[in-house]
Amino acid sequence: NAGVMQNPRHLVRRRGQEARLRCSPMKGHSHVYWYRQLPEEGLKFMVYLQKENIIDESGMPKERFSAEFPKEGPSILRIQQVVRGDSAAYFCASSESPGGRIEQFFGPGTRLTVL
Amino acid sequence: GESVGLHLPTLSVQEGDNSIINCAYSNSASDYFIWYKQESGKGPQFIIDIRSNMDKRQGQRVTVLLNKTVKHLSLQIAATQPGDSAVYFCAENMDSNYQLIWGAGTKLIIKP
Repeated sequence: NAGVMQNPRHLVRRRGQEARLRCSPMKGHSHVYWYRQLPEEGLKFMVYLQKENIIDESGMPKERFSAEFPKEGPSILRIQQVVRGDSAAYFCASSESPGGRIEQFFGPGTRLTVL
Repeated sequence: GESVGLHLPTLSVQEGDNSIINCAYSNSASDYFIWYKQESGKGPQFIIDIRSNMDKRQGQRVTVLLNKTVKHLSLQIAATQPGDSAVYFCAENMDSNYQLIWGAGTKLIIKP
C-alpha cells in the first residue's frame, strides 16, 4: 500500500507565476489535509477536504490560494501569482476518517521556492 | 502552540543514552496530544499519542508524559540510536476537531 504521494517534490517559480501542488492520498483515504511549513517551524494547518468538498479552509489565505479534491484524481493546492513569502514546504496528509484523533499520514512534501 | 520562526532548540545526546524532549502546549482545553518525528527532507511521522485522561503512555523505546497542571508534555527516547536524529514536534488537538496545532520542534542530534 503506497503512502501519501506528493508531486513535484521541488518546485521553483518566479514571482507572479502559478504553483500547482498535487497530493494523492493513501488508498482508501478520503480525507486530505494541507499544511505549510516554514524553515525551523512547526506545520500550520491550511485546509481540510473530503472528496469534492472543502470542509475547512480557515487556515488558508483568502486570496491567491485555492484547493480542490475532485472525485477522480489527486488533491490540488493552487497558488496564483506567487510571492517570495510563499516559499515554504507544503505537506499533504490523509486519513481514513476525519478528526485529529485519527492518524494523519503525511506525504514527503513539496518544497516551493519563489525567485 | 504557535511557534515563532527562530532557530530550533537543539538537544545533543550521546548514542545509547536516553533523550528527553519537552513541549509546552498552549490550550488548556486540548485533550489529545501527538508526537511526530520529522527527518530531513521528509514528512512528519507519527510516533506516539496520549489522551488527557492519562499521564503516561509507553511505546517501543518511547514514553510520553503529560502534565496537565503545567500544560507540559515530554517524549522520552530510551537508548538513543543514530536513526533517532530528527526534529521532534508535539501537536495538540481539542474536542475531536481535526486540526492539529503544532509546537515549534526540537532538533535531536546523536553524538557517536
